[in-house]
Amino acid sequence: AQSVTQLGSHVSVSEGALVLLRCNYSSSVPPYLFWYVQYPNQGLQLLLKYTSAATLVKGINGFEAEFKKSETSFHLTKPSAHMSDAAEYFCAVSADSGTYKYIFGTGTRLKVLA
Amino acid sequence: EAGVAQSPRYKIIEKRQSVAFWCNPISGHATLYWYQQILGQGPKLLIQFQNNGVVDDSQLPKDRFSAERLKGVDSTLKIQPAKLEDSAVYLCASSSGPLSYEQYFGPGTRLTVT
Repeated sequence: AQSVTQLGSHVSVSEGALVLLRCNYSSSVPPYLFWYVQYPNQGLQLLLKYTSAATLVKGINGFEAEFKKSETSFHLTKPSAHMSDAAEYFCAVSADSGTYKYIFGTGTRLKVLA
Repeated sequence: EAGVAQSPRYKIIEKRQSVAFWCNPISGHATLYWYQQILGQGPKLLIQFQNNGVVDDSQLPKDRFSAERLKGVDSTLKIQPAKLEDSAVYLCASSSGPLSYEQYFGPGTRLTVT
Protein backbone atom coordinates (compact mmCIF):
# COMPACT_ATOMS: atom_id res chain seq x y z
CA ALA A 1 0.00 0.00 0.00
CA GLN A 2 1.09 3.56 -0.61
CA SER A 3 0.77 6.68 1.52
CA VAL A 4 1.94 10.28 1.47
CA THR A 5 2.74 12.66 4.31
CA GLN A 6 3.05 16.38 3.75
CA LEU A 7 4.67 18.16 6.68
CA GLY A 8 3.21 21.57 7.35
CA SER A 9 -0.34 22.35 6.33
CA HIS A 10 0.59 26.04 6.02
CA VAL A 11 3.90 27.54 4.91
CA SER A 12 4.68 31.26 4.67
CA VAL A 13 7.67 32.70 2.84
CA SER A 14 8.70 36.18 1.84
CA GLU A 15 8.71 37.13 -1.81
CA GLY A 16 12.10 36.22 -3.24
CA ALA A 17 12.85 33.65 -0.54
CA LEU A 18 13.36 29.93 -1.00
CA VAL A 19 10.25 27.77 -1.14
CA LEU A 20 10.51 24.31 0.42
CA LEU A 21 7.46 22.07 0.68
CA ARG A 22 8.01 18.65 2.21
CA CYS A 23 6.64 15.33 1.05
CA ASN A 24 7.47 11.85 2.36
CA TYR A 25 6.01 8.74 0.84
CA SER A 26 5.60 5.10 1.65
CA SER A 27 5.45 2.47 -1.05
CA SER A 28 6.20 -1.23 -1.21
CA VAL A 29 7.04 -0.98 -4.91
CA PRO A 30 8.95 1.65 -6.89
CA PRO A 31 6.71 4.69 -6.88
CA TYR A 32 5.81 7.41 -9.27
CA LEU A 33 5.58 10.76 -7.52
CA PHE A 34 3.81 13.97 -8.42
CA TRP A 35 3.36 17.52 -7.28
CA TYR A 36 0.15 19.30 -8.19
CA VAL A 37 -0.85 22.92 -7.57
CA GLN A 38 -4.39 24.08 -6.94
CA TYR A 39 -5.40 27.73 -7.20
CA PRO A 40 -8.65 28.87 -5.55
CA ASN A 41 -11.75 27.47 -7.25
CA GLN A 42 -9.70 25.59 -9.81
CA GLY A 43 -8.74 22.00 -10.45
CA LEU A 44 -5.32 20.49 -9.96
CA GLN A 45 -2.49 21.35 -12.32
CA LEU A 46 0.56 19.12 -12.65
CA LEU A 47 3.78 20.85 -11.60
CA LEU A 48 6.19 17.96 -12.07
CA LYS A 49 6.51 14.20 -11.90
CA TYR A 50 9.08 11.55 -11.05
CA THR A 51 8.82 8.40 -13.12
CA SER A 52 12.07 6.56 -12.31
CA ALA A 53 14.31 8.48 -14.66
CA ALA A 54 16.37 11.40 -13.33
CA THR A 55 16.07 11.88 -9.59
CA LEU A 56 16.11 15.68 -9.91
CA VAL A 57 12.95 16.70 -11.69
CA LYS A 58 12.28 20.14 -13.09
CA GLY A 59 8.74 21.36 -13.53
CA ILE A 60 6.81 24.40 -14.56
CA ASN A 61 7.06 27.87 -13.03
CA GLY A 62 10.62 27.30 -11.77
CA PHE A 63 9.78 24.46 -9.40
CA GLU A 64 11.88 21.34 -8.98
CA ALA A 65 11.89 18.29 -6.75
CA GLU A 66 14.43 15.63 -5.87
CA PHE A 67 13.59 11.98 -5.36
CA LYS A 68 15.58 10.56 -2.44
CA LYS A 69 14.93 6.87 -2.03
CA SER A 70 16.98 6.55 1.16
CA GLU A 71 14.89 9.26 2.80
CA THR A 72 11.61 8.30 1.06
CA SER A 73 11.22 11.97 0.25
CA PHE A 74 10.19 14.10 -2.71
CA HIS A 75 10.43 17.67 -1.48
CA LEU A 76 9.39 20.56 -3.73
CA THR A 77 11.60 23.63 -4.01
CA LYS A 78 11.78 26.94 -5.81
CA PRO A 79 14.74 29.28 -5.36
CA SER A 80 12.77 32.51 -5.32
CA ALA A 81 9.10 32.80 -4.37
CA HIS A 82 6.74 34.97 -6.37
CA MET A 83 3.40 36.32 -5.25
CA SER A 84 1.71 34.21 -7.92
CA ASP A 85 3.00 31.03 -6.24
CA ALA A 86 0.45 31.42 -3.45
CA ALA A 87 -1.74 28.33 -3.75
CA GLU A 88 -2.26 24.88 -2.31
CA TYR A 89 0.21 22.18 -3.23
CA PHE A 90 -0.45 18.47 -3.19
CA CYS A 91 2.01 15.60 -3.32
CA ALA A 92 0.76 12.30 -4.71
CA VAL A 93 2.17 8.79 -5.04
CA SER A 94 1.23 6.19 -7.59
CA ALA A 95 2.55 2.70 -8.09
CA ASP A 96 2.07 -0.28 -10.31
CA SER A 97 -0.56 -2.14 -8.35
CA GLY A 98 -2.61 -3.08 -11.37
CA THR A 99 -3.60 0.49 -12.01
CA TYR A 100 -1.70 3.65 -11.23
CA LYS A 101 -4.09 4.90 -8.59
CA TYR A 102 -3.10 8.19 -6.96
CA ILE A 103 -2.84 8.62 -3.20
CA PHE A 104 -2.74 12.30 -2.28
CA GLY A 105 -1.29 14.03 0.72
CA THR A 106 -3.36 16.47 2.73
CA GLY A 107 -1.85 19.49 1.02
CA THR A 108 0.27 22.49 1.98
CA ARG A 109 -1.06 25.99 1.60
CA LEU A 110 1.71 28.36 0.55
CA LYS A 111 1.43 32.02 1.47
CA VAL A 112 3.86 34.52 -0.06
CA LEU A 113 4.45 37.69 1.90
CA ALA A 114 5.29 40.96 0.18
CA GLU B 1 -6.56 20.24 -26.89
CA ALA B 2 -9.64 20.76 -24.76
CA GLY B 3 -9.28 19.85 -21.09
CA VAL B 4 -11.57 17.93 -18.78
CA ALA B 5 -14.96 19.62 -18.56
CA GLN B 6 -17.24 19.50 -15.54
CA SER B 7 -20.64 20.93 -14.74
CA PRO B 8 -22.09 22.49 -12.79
CA ARG B 9 -19.28 24.41 -11.12
CA TYR B 10 -21.30 25.08 -7.98
CA LYS B 11 -24.34 23.43 -6.43
CA ILE B 12 -26.21 24.08 -3.21
CA ILE B 13 -28.81 21.56 -2.05
CA GLU B 14 -30.56 20.62 1.15
CA LYS B 15 -29.83 17.35 2.91
CA ARG B 16 -31.79 14.38 1.65
CA GLN B 17 -32.05 15.91 -1.83
CA SER B 18 -30.36 14.35 -4.82
CA VAL B 19 -27.71 15.85 -7.10
CA ALA B 20 -25.81 14.85 -10.22
CA PHE B 21 -22.48 15.97 -11.61
CA TRP B 22 -21.28 15.61 -15.17
CA CYS B 23 -17.79 15.11 -16.55
CA ASN B 24 -16.45 15.02 -20.10
CA PRO B 25 -12.84 13.78 -20.24
CA ILE B 26 -10.13 14.69 -22.69
CA SER B 27 -10.90 13.23 -26.09
CA GLY B 28 -9.50 9.73 -26.45
CA HIS B 29 -8.81 9.21 -22.76
CA ALA B 30 -10.01 5.76 -21.79
CA THR B 31 -9.66 6.10 -18.04
CA LEU B 32 -11.84 8.41 -15.97
CA TYR B 33 -11.67 9.12 -12.24
CA TRP B 34 -13.98 10.80 -9.75
CA TYR B 35 -12.43 12.25 -6.60
CA GLN B 36 -13.95 13.82 -3.51
CA GLN B 37 -11.99 16.66 -1.94
CA ILE B 38 -13.24 17.71 1.49
CA LEU B 39 -12.06 21.12 2.70
CA GLY B 40 -8.58 20.88 4.16
CA GLN B 41 -7.90 17.42 2.74
CA GLY B 42 -6.36 15.94 -0.36
CA PRO B 43 -8.52 14.41 -3.07
CA LYS B 44 -9.79 10.91 -2.37
CA LEU B 45 -10.57 8.54 -5.21
CA LEU B 46 -14.23 7.53 -5.34
CA ILE B 47 -14.35 5.51 -8.56
CA GLN B 48 -12.20 4.70 -11.58
CA PHE B 49 -13.55 3.70 -14.99
CA GLN B 50 -11.73 2.04 -17.83
CA ASN B 51 -13.87 2.77 -20.88
CA ASN B 52 -17.37 1.96 -19.58
CA GLY B 53 -16.28 -0.58 -16.97
CA VAL B 54 -15.53 0.03 -13.28
CA VAL B 55 -11.92 -0.67 -12.27
CA ASP B 56 -12.05 0.48 -8.64
CA ASP B 57 -15.01 1.67 -6.57
CA SER B 58 -13.76 0.48 -3.21
CA GLN B 59 -14.15 3.92 -1.60
CA LEU B 60 -17.50 4.82 -3.14
CA PRO B 61 -20.32 4.93 -0.53
CA LYS B 62 -22.59 2.77 -2.60
CA ASP B 63 -25.64 3.26 -0.41
CA ARG B 64 -25.93 6.84 -1.65
CA PHE B 65 -23.41 7.40 -4.44
CA SER B 66 -23.60 6.01 -7.94
CA ALA B 67 -21.66 6.68 -11.12
CA GLU B 68 -21.92 5.62 -14.70
CA ARG B 69 -20.03 5.98 -17.94
CA LEU B 70 -22.41 4.29 -20.32
CA LYS B 71 -20.72 4.97 -23.65
CA GLY B 72 -17.18 5.09 -22.35
CA VAL B 73 -16.90 8.84 -22.83
CA ASP B 74 -18.64 11.23 -20.45
CA SER B 75 -19.67 10.27 -16.95
CA THR B 76 -22.23 11.17 -14.32
CA LEU B 77 -21.80 10.97 -10.55
CA LYS B 78 -24.98 11.01 -8.46
CA ILE B 79 -25.66 11.40 -4.76
CA GLN B 80 -29.04 10.36 -3.41
CA PRO B 81 -29.88 11.28 -0.70
CA ALA B 82 -27.23 13.85 0.19
CA LYS B 83 -25.87 14.27 3.70
CA LEU B 84 -24.18 17.27 5.27
CA GLU B 85 -20.83 15.47 5.18
CA ASP B 86 -21.04 15.22 1.39
CA SER B 87 -20.16 18.92 1.15
CA ALA B 88 -16.95 18.89 -0.85
CA VAL B 89 -15.41 19.56 -4.24
CA TYR B 90 -15.93 16.71 -6.69
CA LEU B 91 -13.08 16.45 -9.15
CA CYS B 92 -13.06 14.52 -12.38
CA ALA B 93 -9.80 13.44 -13.98
CA SER B 94 -8.85 11.43 -17.03
CA SER B 95 -5.83 9.62 -18.38
CA SER B 96 -5.03 7.84 -21.60
CA GLY B 97 -5.17 4.45 -19.93
CA PRO B 98 -4.99 2.65 -16.57
CA LEU B 99 -1.25 2.25 -16.90
CA SER B 100 -0.75 5.88 -17.78
CA TYR B 101 0.48 7.50 -14.64
CA GLU B 102 -0.43 11.08 -15.58
CA GLN B 103 -3.94 12.31 -14.80
CA TYR B 104 -5.53 15.52 -16.02
CA PHE B 105 -8.03 17.24 -13.76
CA GLY B 106 -11.14 19.25 -14.43
CA PRO B 107 -12.06 22.42 -12.48
CA GLY B 108 -14.33 20.55 -10.08
CA THR B 109 -17.87 20.97 -8.78
CA ARG B 110 -18.24 22.55 -5.36
CA LEU B 111 -21.20 20.98 -3.54
CA THR B 112 -22.69 22.55 -0.43
CA VAL B 113 -25.28 20.54 1.47
CA THR B 114 -27.33 22.57 3.96
